Amino acid sequence: DTEVTQTPKHLVMGMTNKKSLKCEQHMGHRAMYWYKQKAKKPPELMFVYSYEKLSINESVPSRFSPECPNSSLLNLHLHALQPEDSALYLCASRPDRVSLYGYTFGSGTRLTVV
Amino acid sequence: AQSVTQPDIHITVSEGASLELRCNYSYGATPYLFWYVQSPGQGLQLLLKYFSGDTLVQGIKGFEAEFKRSQSSFNLRKPSVHWSDAAEYFCAVGEMGAGSYQLTFGKGTKLSVIP
Repeated sequence: DTEVTQTPKHLVMGMTNKKSLKCEQHMGHRAMYWYKQKAKKPPELMFVYSYEKLSINESVPSRFSPECPNSSLLNLHLHALQPEDSALYLCASRPDRVSLYGYTFGSGTRLTVV
Repeated sequence: AQSVTQPDIHITVSEGASLELRCNYSYGATPYLFWYVQSPGQGLQLLLKYFSGDTLVQGIKGFEAEFKRSQSSFNLRKPSVHWSDAAEYFCAVGEMGAGSYQLTFGKGTKLSVIP
């Protein structure tokens, strides 16, 4: 398995809802990432998990809450989002030796906040 | 901190023509460099990467890139473009920071292909 799987592919939520995005990989990668990508912009780093520990939080608002329950799974819990949070949310993973394969990205979750 | 510049926001080429997408980086040491492609509404697919060694790197889908340290460039090339190559292309540089490896992306170049 050489993929990063993200679910759901599309999500529409109200500003008072609570929802979660899921990311899964079975490549044995121990570093996993959440990126946010607005239309016509490059991906922006949100969070980095290394060996199931949060190592980087790029000053992301607390309405986004990441979780890494095990080495294969990464969640992003969403609560009280704003319309400007609508974006494509990308998950990525990489091996310890990044030179082996680089980063592998999932196909993303398209989030719309109404 | 590293940075990546993609000077061309949008490029249009005819199918069958050659292609070169430009990428310049700013980084103190030898960088890890990547090119990714993104079709509309999709994730990013790795085309090729450079870490060390041979400065001409071959990738998937007939793409190649050449690392030129003297010019701080890592330009992406393809000898003959296909209509299916129309997409957004991102150059990225990687470095270790804050305890974990990070990618920094350029702003991207949108490629349009005329049949």
